Amino acid sequence: DAMVIQNPRYQVTQFGKPVTLSCSQTLNHNVMYWYQQKSSQAPKLLFHYYDKDFNNEADTPDNFQSRRPNTSFCFLDIRSPGLGDAAMYLCATSRRGNTYEQYFGPGTRLTVT
Amino acid sequence: KQEVTQIPAALSVPEGENLVLNCSFTDSAIYNLQWFRQDPGKGLTSLLLIQSSQREQTSGRLNASLDKSSGRSTLYIAASQPGDSATYLCAVRPSGQGAQKLVFGQGTRLTINP
Repeated sequence: DAMVIQNPRYQVTQFGKPVTLSCSQTLNHNVMYWYQQKSSQAPKLLFHYYDKDFNNEADTPDNFQSRRPNTSFCFLDIRSPGLGDAAMYLCATSRRGNTYEQYFGPGTRLTVT
Repeated sequence: KQEVTQIPAALSVPEGENLVLNCSFTDSAIYNLQWFRQDPGKGLTSLLLIQSSQREQTSGRLNASLDKSSGRSTLYIAASQPGDSATYLCAVRPSGQGAQKLVFGQGTRLTINP
């Protein structure tokens, strides 16, 4: 089945220790998104790639970076995680067209100790 | 700036009841609206997508309506079951610049009691 895959599902890192979260997709969609979701809150868009074009949200901290080496993969790098970065990180994809319907992965739960 | 509101934040009903979840948005300039389901600790599952030119969409026991001019959408769940317990989020795709992005509401946490 075509899908969006996120690895790992659970990640524990230490305060200030860089961490990378991974997302891959078999849908061949050209748009990929990273969201941060804290408990009982709406998902917050961090950035998205439209093909190779990177689009950062204005309020995304510099601590968050992203890479998209090819159509299938996208990475979220947190350079120096703080306690406030503990959250669920969601990856989503959509295809260029008239709906841009988004398909989400299962998420990575990040804990910062 | 587009804002999406979902009321109530939480809802608890007995099994078998029909129920309606509400979503409102401040700017009617949208391409479409999507309803999602999220189980605890999981990702989002797309339930229904309504294009701005459509009035409603149906999938099984779910029916979503859209009144773009008044900035409202509802998700109707018929004959609710305990397995329907989850958080339901609505999101709109604004027209214009950045049209590939979604603006989410905070969600309604639904509990169906056996």
